Amino acid sequence: QSVLTQPPSASGTPGQRVTISCSGSSSNIGSNTVNWYQQLPGTAPKLLIYTDDQRPSGVPDRFSGSKSGTSASLAISGLQSEDEADYYCAAWDDSLNGYVFGTGTKVTVL
Amino acid sequence: QVQLQESGPGLGKPSETLSLTCTVSGYSISSGYYWAWIRQPPGKGLEWIGSIYHTGSTYYNPSLKSRVTISVDTSKNQFSLKLSSVTAADTAVYYCARSDSSSNFYYHYMDVWGKGTTVTVSS
Repeated sequence: QSVLTQPPSASGTPGQRVTISCSGSSSNIGSNTVNWYQQLPGTAPKLLIYTDDQRPSGVPDRFSGSKSGTSASLAISGLQSEDEADYYCAAWDDSLNGYVFGTGTKVTVL
Repeated sequence: QVQLQESGPGLGKPSETLSLTCTVSGYSISSGYYWAWIRQPPGKGLEWIGSIYHTGSTYYNPSLKSRVTISVDTSKNQFSLKLSSVTAADTAVYYCARSDSSSNFYYHYMDVWGKGTTVTVSS
């Protein structure tokens, strides 16, 4: 059972803004940086956001990350059909001395 | 560019040891980074299994620690996973990945992933 909690699903129409939350604790999000991964159907996860708000080369600026206290958020602006995927937050947990993933959120484009 | 490829048996029997290898190309493991194994049971989320530093230091998921061994072979530019006493609950897609990290894990993220290999545990 994951220590990072995400809503199971989120949805929006093309062009809308969708936000996904990730709730943790002082030993993970409250102490370390948060990353987000995108997993398109049938494929391996891909790094989407790292160290809270940085985008790897090639990731559109429609994707943005933020963090406050023990929670983090991923925002997708100008939602597109190709954004339909599962999204996972993750961070190092100092208490577990290990890396933890969120429960995952399935984004549907209506 | 850096590429990772998982390999190993796709089928295992309960109580046996699962062994997987990740072959790295385009980067020398001995040059740095952490190297990780992550798994995903059918229809479920991602689970970190453990990571190894290029020097051989290891970190394991506490829930799997008693059954997991991760090792690195710099001569072959590979790292490996052994998971003992497997059950049907270990059926999953297993991914290997490269991790960039600070020394205290303040930042730690997987920036390059393999495509994954499916392992089924069944008698």
